[in-house]
Amino acid sequence: DGGITQSPKYLFRKEGQNVTLSCEQNLNHDAMYWYRQDPGQGLRLIYYSQIVNDFQKGDIAEGYSVSREKKESFPLTVTSAQKNPTAFYLCASSNPLAGDNEQFFGPGTRLTVL
Amino acid sequence: QKEVEQNSGPLSVPEGAIASLNCTYSDRGSQSFFWYRQYSGKSPELIMFIYSNGDKEDGRFTAQLNKASQYVSLLIRDSQPSDSATYLCAGVNSGYSSASKIIFGSGTRLSIRP
Repeated sequence: DGGITQSPKYLFRKEGQNVTLSCEQNLNHDAMYWYRQDPGQGLRLIYYSQIVNDFQKGDIAEGYSVSREKKESFPLTVTSAQKNPTAFYLCASSNPLAGDNEQFFGPGTRLTVL
Repeated sequence: QKEVEQNSGPLSVPEGAIASLNCTYSDRGSQSFFWYRQYSGKSPELIMFIYSNGDKEDGRFTAQLNKASQYVSLLIRDSQPSDSATYLCAGVNSGYSSASKIIFGSGTRLSIRP
C-alpha cells in the first residue's frame, strides 16, 4: 500500500527538549511538507522540500529544523527555541513536477509540552 | 499576504438537505483549488479539486469556481451525518515555481443534524 506514515502518533516533550517527528512516504513523490495545526485553526506551513537535499522555510519556520537526505523521508525537529510547540503536526507529499498538485497527508503527530 | 478565507461556522444543516460551503481567495494567480474534509483528530483527505471556471460534480459533491469573483464553493447534496466534519478550502499559490505550495483556509465546521 502506498502512503505516508508519521510517528509517533502522540509525543510528550519537556520544556527545553528537542524532539524529532518522523515522516516517511512510499509514493515516490518529490515534494514533502510539514504543517502545524492548532485547535480550531487551519494549516500553517513550517517547511517544505522540493527535492532531496533541498528545503525551504514556510510561514512559521522559527524554532523548527528539517532535513531531506532521502526522497522518502522528511523528519522535523522541534527545538527548544519553539516557544509554544503544543499542536497537531501534519506531514504531506505531492508530485508537482508530474503536474499533480494534490497533497496527500499522513495521520499526524500530536505533540504536547509538559 | 496571499490568503484563503472561509467562514469558520459551525454550519448546521438538516440531514438530506444541501450543504453549501464557501471560500474566497486573494491571489488572482491561483490556478487550482482543493476541498479537503477533516474529521476531528484526523488528517485532511481530498474531496474535490477544480481548476476550471464552472462546476465539477462527483457523486453528492459539486465544486464551483468563479475566477472573476475569486470565489470557490462546495455543495454537498443529500447531506448525511457522516458529512459532519471541518472542510478546508485550499488554493495553489502561484508564487512558487515547482513545489506546489498550497494555501489553506482555516476551515468551516459542518454539522449535519438528524
